[in-house]
Amino acid sequence: SQTIHQWPATLVQPVGSPLSLECTVEGTSNPNLYWYRQAAGRGLQLLFYSVGIGQISSEVPQNLSASRPQDRQFILSSKKLLLSDSGFYLCAWSVPDTSGSLHFGNGTRLTVT
Amino acid sequence: EDQVTQSPEALRLQEGESSSLNCSYTVSGLRGLFWYRQDPGKGPEFLFTLYSAGEEKEKERLKATLTKKESFLHITAPKPEDSATYLCAVQAGSSASKIIFGSGTRLSIRP
Repeated sequence: SQTIHQWPATLVQPVGSPLSLECTVEGTSNPNLYWYRQAAGRGLQLLFYSVGIGQISSEVPQNLSASRPQDRQFILSSKKLLLSDSGFYLCAWSVPDTSGSLHFGNGTRLTVT
Repeated sequence: EDQVTQSPEALRLQEGESSSLNCSYTVSGLRGLFWYRQDPGKGPEFLFTLYSAGEEKEKERLKATLTKKESFLHITAPKPEDSATYLCAVQAGSSASKIIFGSGTRLSIRP
């Protein structure tokens, strides 16, 4: 069966520090991968999605970036965090070329102080 | 531009009091509409996928329906454990890999 791992679960970082969040998927090949951010009490904002290694689509211009160095690994990064980067970050995967649903990780709660 | 709007933002019901949540959408060529349930501090959990107008799906006390412009999530005789945020999302034909979400409805069921 497929599983998705996302870490860390919580993170507190000062303004201006770098960020690296990692997500890995097991039990499936060539998945579509996604990063979403959720502000408190709000819906999910699509940040990046990827249909293959090295292929990244960015939805929101900001100081975040994403990379997909391996088929089942998706990394969200920032060189310098802003206060507005605080939120709940969710990684998800789906079966490619279908109208398939997303399968989410447990999320990372990021607080920028 | 593809857009998803959910209403109401929050809904408080008494146990057993049935109601409906709304999701209206504007997309170019709908490939799929999804409903998710999210508990506090956790990732969303998949409930339903609807593909075409007129389609309906049921799971326990929940029933999802789809028209050409909106979807409804009907909750029949809810229980306190149905309290959660319910999220609607769409996948558009214009960019098949892109899935966008509405802002959600926070549902609270009082015993």
